[in-house]
Amino acid sequence: NAGVTQTPKFRVLKTGQSMTLLCAQDMNHEYMYWYRQDPGMGLRLIHYSVGEGTTAKGEVPDGYNVSRLKKQNFLLGLESAAPSQTSVYFCASSPPGGGNQPQHFGDGTRLSIL
Amino acid sequence: SQQGEEDPQALSIQEGENATMNCSYKTSINNLQWYRQNSGRGLVHLILIRSNEREKHSGRLRVTLDTSKKSSSLLITASRAADTASYFCATPYTGNQFYFGTGTSLTVIP
Repeated sequence: NAGVTQTPKFRVLKTGQSMTLLCAQDMNHEYMYWYRQDPGMGLRLIHYSVGEGTTAKGEVPDGYNVSRLKKQNFLLGLESAAPSQTSVYFCASSPPGGGNQPQHFGDGTRLSIL
Repeated sequence: SQQGEEDPQALSIQEGENATMNCSYKTSINNLQWYRQNSGRGLVHLILIRSNEREKHSGRLRVTLDTSKKSSSLLITASRAADTASYFCATPYTGNQFYFGTGTSLTVIP
């Protein structure tokens, strides 16, 4: 049972390039989340989804887009990467109930924008 | 910001000692969660305490919650080198979102 799997694990991009980060969960969870983690700032929510076909903005959504076409997958896209988006990105999932349920995290994607 | 804040930012103890870290938050909550993050890994859920609970135990972990002071503490008893990690508190916001604190970095010296 893999839990939450993120691909890729590492990536280096040039400013202006685009890419998609993939998150897959095998726990049949309804809710999925994308966070970024920067030194000294904890985790900040980018976007989240409460079910297949639905997405919503979090605390820091600018510069990112997401899609949840299948229940088990949550994609995070960077349309035109900027150095400020250098970060570690974490995906998480949880059963319905949102804030009343524990979140299950992947091991992150380390992204550098040059 | 409704973000929780952990205190201290860093803590270094000897193996076998107890470690205490604190979390303060700003708004009313219905539960508070603690997570652990080992270096280079994702967060792992440790314990959830509801607003009507004052104390909760899980193995060597003891969590307290004081809603009047908007604070929580995590106590790890008889610490081990494997407990070396960062610890975060998380509070729910608008029902579906979480705010995570900036974490306490714990080092347990063998």
